[in-house]
Amino acid sequence: EIVLTQSPTTMAASPGEKVTLNCLASSSVSYMNWYQQKSGASPKLWIYGTSNLASGVPNRFSGSGSGTSYSLTISSMEAEDVATYYCLQLSSYPWTFGGGTKLELK
Amino acid sequence: EVQLVESGGGLVQPGRSLKLSCAASGFTFSNYGMHWIRQAPTKGLEWVASISPSGGSTYYRDSVKGRFTISRDNAKSTLYLQMDSLRSEDTATYYCATDFHGTGIPGYWGQGVMVTVSS
Repeated sequence: EIVLTQSPTTMAASPGEKVTLNCLASSSVSYMNWYQQKSGASPKLWIYGTSNLASGVPNRFSGSGSGTSYSLTISSMEAEDVATYYCLQLSSYPWTFGGGTKLELK
Repeated sequence: EVQLVESGGGLVQPGRSLKLSCAASGFTFSNYGMHWIRQAPTKGLEWVASISPSGGSTYYRDSVKGRFTISRDNAKSTLYLQMDSLRSEDTATYYCATDFHGTGIPGYWGQGVMVTVSS
């Protein structure tokens, strides 16, 4: 089973600050997907295929990485970005999610 | 607009069974893979099972293999999860999800249904 480790577990960012969330895989994966989950809501696909933004995702978000190391970057933090972000690998079964990064507003 | 509506959750005793349903609309159900993903209270996301568009291929995580069965009725645009021999660790919100534009990636999710396994 491929284990995904997300860091940091929790972080707080100020409006306008650049934010980078990380996802480290225990084995190489072909690409990474990211989900945003706000409190009390269902997860939403946010970034797919490592770097493609899902519909409606602001272009201040970006994704990058390869092999075992992937990241989600917010170029300029906004209040609406407060949420928990999860990475997901589909390269091998069982599909696995990272433990999540909770992003708060400072 | 893609809509997925789960139902069938509730409180059940350990060892008993429960069947979840997911009614789909807004897309051609028979063309897309479907998935069940769960989230224990205050915890992260966990993939449970997936099924191919035709229903001919199914995939499960080890902890539910032999206890859970994913199935679909393409004529009714409905996905199912039969859960037998339930354990306390199966307590979670269960989400159904469908592929995003045929990529195989769970792209559209329902609102979720709560399953509580407790005596």
